[in-house]
Amino acid sequence: QKEVEQDPGPLSVPEGAIVSLNCTYSNSAFQYFMWYRQYSRKGPELLMYTYSSGNKEDGRFTAQVDKSSKYISLFIRDSQPSDSATYLCAMSEGGSEKLVFGKGTKLTVNP
Amino acid sequence: DADVTQTPRNRITKTGKRIMLECSQTKGHDRMYWYRQDPGLGLRLIYYSFDVKDINKGEISDGYSVSRQAQAKFSLSLESAIPNQTALYFCAVGQLYEQYFGPGTRLTVT
Repeated sequence: QKEVEQDPGPLSVPEGAIVSLNCTYSNSAFQYFMWYRQYSRKGPELLMYTYSSGNKEDGRFTAQVDKSSKYISLFIRDSQPSDSATYLCAMSEGGSEKLVFGKGTKLTVNP
Repeated sequence: DADVTQTPRNRITKTGKRIMLECSQTKGHDRMYWYRQDPGLGLRLIYYSFDVKDINKGEISDGYSVSRQAQAKFSLSLESAIPNQTALYFCAVGQLYEQYFGPGTRLTVT
């Protein structure tokens, strides 16, 4: 079983839709959870990071972590064509320099 | 005025050649990282550095070496390139939970 599983998609939604992106993981020692957005031919950019369980909101984006289920989610409200990108989840153990990335989910928001 | 720059952006080289990828930053972070990205495999850590005198191997360091010439510069070398090192290479800076990536170098080894 891979440490981090992420459905690669592709996911295609109409503009204005609520998007749900998800990752599951197997390592119960993971404590830090990140979401990165990567546009085509660009480097990943950090969207949000969360420590341990709970929710974190930033504008149209909400990150959720459920450590009991080993499941994290990123919700995008009122999705826009500019949200079209690949979304990567990443996580790490406390005190470790190693980030473990999911393979990414490619999202297209259609006008 | 990008904070993290990588050179070259694209490179085609032949098997057996030595190649160096360079990364520089203006963000003032001590920690720098090199990753490679392959379709279907995601991002994997090659090397990371806490400062000029502290270099550490990542998940996939075999076939690679690095040099931290200054706080702002971190280079990745392939001493003898092989085709399965064809990939997209990213430099990143920052602390573990907040990393800022450069634009990437697309390397093709023929």
